[in-house]
Amino acid sequence: QSVLTQPPSVSAAPGQKVTISCSGSSSNIGSNYVSWYQQLPGTAPKLLIDDSNKRPSGIPDRFSGSKSAASATLGITGLQTGDEADYYCGTWDNRLSAVVFGGGTKVTVL
Amino acid sequence: QITLKESGPTLVEPTQTLTLTCTVSGFSLSTTGVGVGWIRQPPGKALEWVAIIYWDDDKRYSPSLRSRLTITKDTSKNQVVLTMTNMDPVDTATYYCAHRKHAFVFDIWGPGTVVTVSS
Repeated sequence: QSVLTQPPSVSAAPGQKVTISCSGSSSNIGSNYVSWYQQLPGTAPKLLIDDSNKRPSGIPDRFSGSKSAASATLGITGLQTGDEADYYCGTWDNRLSAVVFGGGTKVTVL
Repeated sequence: QITLKESGPTLVEPTQTLTLTCTVSGFSLSTTGVGVGWIRQPPGKALEWVAIIYWDDDKRYSPSLRSRLTITKDTSKNQVVLTMTNMDPVDTATYYCAHRKHAFVFDIWGPGTVVTVSS
């Protein structure tokens, strides 16, 4: 059971938009920045969003992040087949004194 | 260019001790602010943070694994070593090491190494 809650899967047609939620609490998302990672099949995770809403160099602006209170959201616009992957949110939990991740969300392009 | 690469046994027996090495390049383990973390992922499951070590030798461990873990670094060899005792089949996973960008954000990951715990 992950500390951060994500929907197991989301799907949409090419060109459409999907959003992935990440729900936590005051001890984690409510107090700290959130990062998002993309994991393509068979590969290591890749940092997608930093500091809740900042894209590292090389990440397309189709990817966006936001945070409100104890929840965060990853948005992907202009969905492409290459976006099919698992997406994870992560942050620090002050109560656990640990890095925590969500359970992951599988994005399927229909 | 920052790179990390994990190495270690692919198979360990239950109750044995696992030793994994992360060899880094493109940065120094002694540079202020640098950190290297370990994250694991059981087959078909989510990421789980394991441990992190900082440039000043400060260390943090997952609360659920703390009693079994030791993380060290050898700056001269550009290596970070993770030791996990009393291995169990539930520890079967891909183990990744990753470069800490800041706070607890990992920006560069190694390709991962698969560890299976079985007799």
